[in-house]
Amino acid sequence: AQKVTQAQTEISVVEKEDVTLDCVYETRDTTYYLFWYKQPPSGELVFLIRRNSFDEQNEISGRYSWNFQKSTSSFNFTITASQVVDSAVYFCALSEGQRAAGNKLTFGGGTRVLVKP
Amino acid sequence: EPEVTQTPSHQVTQMGQEVILRCVPISNHLYFYWYRQILGQKVEFLVSFYNNEISEKSEIFDDQFSVERPDGSNFTLKIRSTKLEDSAMYFCASSFRIAETQYFGPGTRLLVL
Repeated sequence: AQKVTQAQTEISVVEKEDVTLDCVYETRDTTYYLFWYKQPPSGELVFLIRRNSFDEQNEISGRYSWNFQKSTSSFNFTITASQVVDSAVYFCALSEGQRAAGNKLTFGGGTRVLVKP
Repeated sequence: EPEVTQTPSHQVTQMGQEVILRCVPISNHLYFYWYRQILGQKVEFLVSFYNNEISEKSEIFDDQFSVERPDGSNFTLKIRSTKLEDSAMYFCASSFRIAETQYFGPGTRLLVL
C-alpha cells in the first residue's frame, strides 16, 4: 500500500527566509510518480511539480526547488527567499505505477507554511 | 488555459437529502477523479472513472455515492442520503493520460446540517 508522510504540520518563517518541507513516501512499485500541490487560503489545489521514479534529477523553478532521493524515499521541497504569498498548505502526493484504469493520488497530511512580513 | 470547473462552489443541505456535485473536466482529458477533504485534514481519494465506468474506488465510496458522466462534458458525484460526516470540500480532478498530472477544480464545499 502506498503512504506519504509529511512530518511537519506547520512551519512559520519570516519573509526572505528559506523553508524546506519534508516528504517521505512508501511504495512497493518500482514505477511511481511524486507530486507537490499548493493549497492557498482560498482552498484550491494548485499543481507545482510532478516527478517520476526514474528521474532523480533535482529541479529548480524560480524560488522553488525539489530534492528527490530514492535511497531515502524522500521528495523534499524548498522555497528560497520566502514571500508572504507563499503562505499556504503544501501537500506531497504519490501515485503508483501505470494502472490501466487510472492512478489515484495518495496525499500526505500537508504542511502549513506561514510567512510573516 | 483550460481548467477544471465545479459547481456549486458551496452547498448547504439537510441530513438525509440527496446532493449532486458537478464538474466539467478539461476537455481532452480521459481520466476523472473525485477527492474529498474534511476541514483541516488531508485530501482523500474517493473514486476514479475511465471509459465510462468506475475504475477504482476507496472504502469511503460506499453505496451512498455514485458517479456519472451524463454527456461529453460533465462529470457528477451524487450522494444519495447525506450524513453529517459528509461535510467536506469535494474536489474533482482530471488527467489526459495515465499517471499524468491531475488538475483539480476549485472544489465544492458541502455542509450537511
